[in-house]
Amino acid sequence: QLQLQESGPGLVKPSETLSLTCTVSGGSINTITYYWGWIRQPPGRGLEYIASIYHSGTTYFNPSLKSRVTISLDTSRNQFSLKLSSVTAADTAVYYCATIPRVGDYLDHWGQGTLVTVSS
Amino acid sequence: DIQMTQSPSTLSASVGDRVTITCRASQSIDRWLAWYQQKPGKAPNLLIYESSILESGAPSRFSGSGSGTEFTLTISSLQPDDFATYYCQQYNRDLTFGGGTKVEIK
Repeated sequence: QLQLQESGPGLVKPSETLSLTCTVSGGSINTITYYWGWIRQPPGRGLEYIASIYHSGTTYFNPSLKSRVTISLDTSRNQFSLKLSSVTAADTAVYYCATIPRVGDYLDHWGQGTLVTVSS
Repeated sequence: DIQMTQSPSTLSASVGDRVTITCRASQSIDRWLAWYQQKPGKAPNLLIYESSILESGAPSRFSGSGSGTEFTLTISSLQPDDFATYYCQQYNRDLTFGGGTKVEIK
């Protein structure tokens, strides 16, 4: 059974870069079956898609965040990562990693989520 | 970008009730719509994709319908485990979510 686990700092200062990693177990990140994605949820609010990446390196981004987002794969560690630059308090959220089946852009496996607070 | 509007934002219901949640898209998304259930402090859980296909393991009391711009999620007989927030998500172009519908105990 595919499992995903987010990790990274829980507190980031304004204007700095948020960095998170998602570790995948129960399957290979090199699979053709899935894209690997990031979604976030500000406290008490709804869900927002951030970005996704395929094993080939093909990437997709939320247009509203694209200029600040980097997404990458580390196949040797079976991980994928998110970097969000120039953060503000508006980037405070629970960040989830998830799988997106190649046959349809819905999200069928999710990590438990990690809260990142942007504050000085 | 495609906007998704859910209604109602909050719904009060009792165990055994039939519950319907609506999701409207700002433009046609064919059948490219998914539904999720989220409980407090937990990640969302996929219930339905492609408008009406029940995800493996999701209870059969959940059903989805619709195409184009109007979609519904129906719970045929509300169970105690179903009190949660439900989100729709379109994937016709990019990925965008509705604002959520909280199903509360009446």
